[in-house]
Formats: sequence, C-alpha cells, structure tokens
Amino acid sequence: EVQLVESGGVVLQPGGSLRLSCAASGFTFDDYTMHWVRQGPGKGLQWVSLISWNGASTQYGDSVKGRFTISRDNSKNSLYLEMNSVRAEDTALYYCVKDKAGGTGYFDYWGQGTLVTVSS
Amino acid sequence: DIQMTQSPSSLSASVGDRVTITCQASQDIRNYLNWYQVKPGKAPKVLIYDASNLETGVPSRFSGSGSGTDFTFTISGLQPEDIATYYCQQYDILITFGGGTKVEIK
Repeated sequence: EVQLVESGGVVLQPGGSLRLSCAASGFTFDDYTMHWVRQGPGKGLQWVSLISWNGASTQYGDSVKGRFTISRDNSKNSLYLEMNSVRAEDTALYYCVKDKAGGTGYFDYWGQGTLVTVSS
Repeated sequence: DIQMTQSPSSLSASVGDRVTITCQASQDIRNYLNWYQVKPGKAPKVLIYDASNLETGVPSRFSGSGSGTDFTFTISGLQPEDIATYYCQQYDILITFGGGTKVEIK
C-alpha cells in the first residue's frame, strides 16, 4: 500500500524558515517524480514544486521560486521542502504527491498534508 | 506560468441534471489536461486524463472534451455522490490548477 506521510508543519513568523518532510513507502520511491502541492485556507489547489526521480531536475511555481527548495533522499525514501523567507500567503496545507509517470502531471497518490501557518 | 481560468466557481443543480464546467488556458496546452474530483477529507482523484480519457472505474456519466485552450467537463446526470469540488489541471508547461468548481445539490 502506497503511503505518503508529511511532517514538519508549524506556526512561524513572516521571514522565517522551515523544512517539510515526506516519508514514502509502498512503492519504488526512486522510480518516480514527486511534487509538493498546497491548499490555502478557503483556496484551491496550488502546485508548488517537482523533483525528478534522481533529483537532477527541479521546477518551482512562480510564487515560491527563489525561496523554496525541493530535494529528496532516495536512500531514505524521503522528500523534502525547504521553505525560506516565508510570507502570510504561504499559509497552507502542504501535500506530498506522487506522479504516476514522469511528465504526465497525473497525481495518483497524495499524503494527508502538513499545516504551515505564517503569522505574526 | 500558464493560467487556468475555471468557471463557474460554484454551482447548484438537481439530481439528474447535466452539469458543465469549463476551463480556459492562457495559451495552447494541446490536450495536456486532467480533471480531479476532491471530496472533503479525501485525496484528490483523477477522473479524466489527457482532456477526454475516462479513468478506469470512473462512471461513464463523467466526460471531458477540448484541446488547445478550451476544455469542458460534464456530468451527465448528477448524483448525490458527485458532491465535491472539481479542478482542471494543465501539465503542458509545469503544472497549474484551475480555481475549482464546488458542486452542490439543489
């Protein structure tokens, strides 16, 4: 059974930093592109970032480019999101998401999410 | 980024009604579009992939059409279990979701 378990969500002040983690199991982690997707309170889904199976390729949405860094450790079946210079608009539930196959954008498994709240 | 304009943002319809949701891309995305269903407390689920392909196991009352910049998602005969929020998603250049459509029963 595929499982994606996020952690690391906290309440923090604007300008702060944190790292989200996602522990993956139930599939061959290093075969798949992985993503972070977020949903702000009362808002829709927003794609944040992706990383290729081997970590060689990363992409970011415009709203987080230059502030967030995605990474993975295939030896630990783990995905990460380093978040710097956070803003109030980064407040959201952050989901770790598995891509069904590279380049399809078909998200077949989602974690339950970890909540990040940015507030002064 | 490619922008996806989805409408309406919400709708209320009766059981059995035909429901249509549209999604417009800010540039040509060919057929690189998926439709997701999101129910409270549950993970999003792909219903339609590549604009018009019905995912295995999804009821045939769901359908999708379009290519280029204009896309349509249809429920032909709304059922109570279809109450959810629906999102279009392009994956031609990076990934963008539409704003979502909340579907309720009248």
